[in-house]
Amino acid sequence: QSALTQPASVSESPGQSITISCTGTGSDVGGYDYVSWYQQHPGKAPKLIISEVSNRPSGVSNRFSGFKSGNTASLTISGLQAEDEAYYYCCSYTGGSTLGLFGGGTKLTVL
Amino acid sequence: QVQLQESGPGLVKPSQTLSLTCNVSGGSISSADYYWSWIRQPAGKGLEWIGRIYNSGTTNYNPSLKSRVAISIDTSKNQFSLKLSSVTAADTAVYYCAREVRWPPFYFDNWGQGNLVTVSS
Repeated sequence: QSALTQPASVSESPGQSITISCTGTGSDVGGYDYVSWYQQHPGKAPKLIISEVSNRPSGVSNRFSGFKSGNTASLTISGLQAEDEAYYYCCSYTGGSTLGLFGGGTKLTVL
Repeated sequence: QVQLQESGPGLVKPSQTLSLTCNVSGGSISSADYYWSWIRQPAGKGLEWIGRIYNSGTTNYNPSLKSRVAISIDTSKNQFSLKLSSVTAADTAVYYCAREVRWPPFYFDNWGQGNLVTVSS
């Protein structure tokens, strides 16, 4: 199975909002409400920021929100801050022998 | 708060076996609520799920790596381990251990800091 499709990079100014897409198929993103998102700063481990499409773990800023429509999931970050500059990865359960897939990652630059 | 910490050699020769251990602290690896997973990330690339183990010893592996991977668990030491055989340069990556919530499935709420493994002679 191929990785989920994410844009390689996005950029926006501080204070603005940005949405990162994650496109899969009916066998993964479209088939289950089990999409998660991870934030990774350079040299650091990924950090869970969204689970089950739109749930924020305790301690994660409410500036992060998730949504899904059909085979595409989205992560929106509002009120962009310099600290949001990082890589973002989506992940989806697939139910098959692979169990799950990650996206290729999106580099967010806060201009 | 649970913490995970990988340990193991940073350099492995081609054709040999990569071995890593993840020590879990602040929580029990015997918990019924979690799987314990390995995920890797080649430099400048994305994340790849390698496999997972449950406290019973039940394992699931990525089909692309299944023939070379073995994950084991030692509940007495609160740790789990990864072995990847017949390694090549393509296996050079940062290897993370992570806690995976049992249900809903396939999300990872705690990660180790990562262990860079380079495959080179």
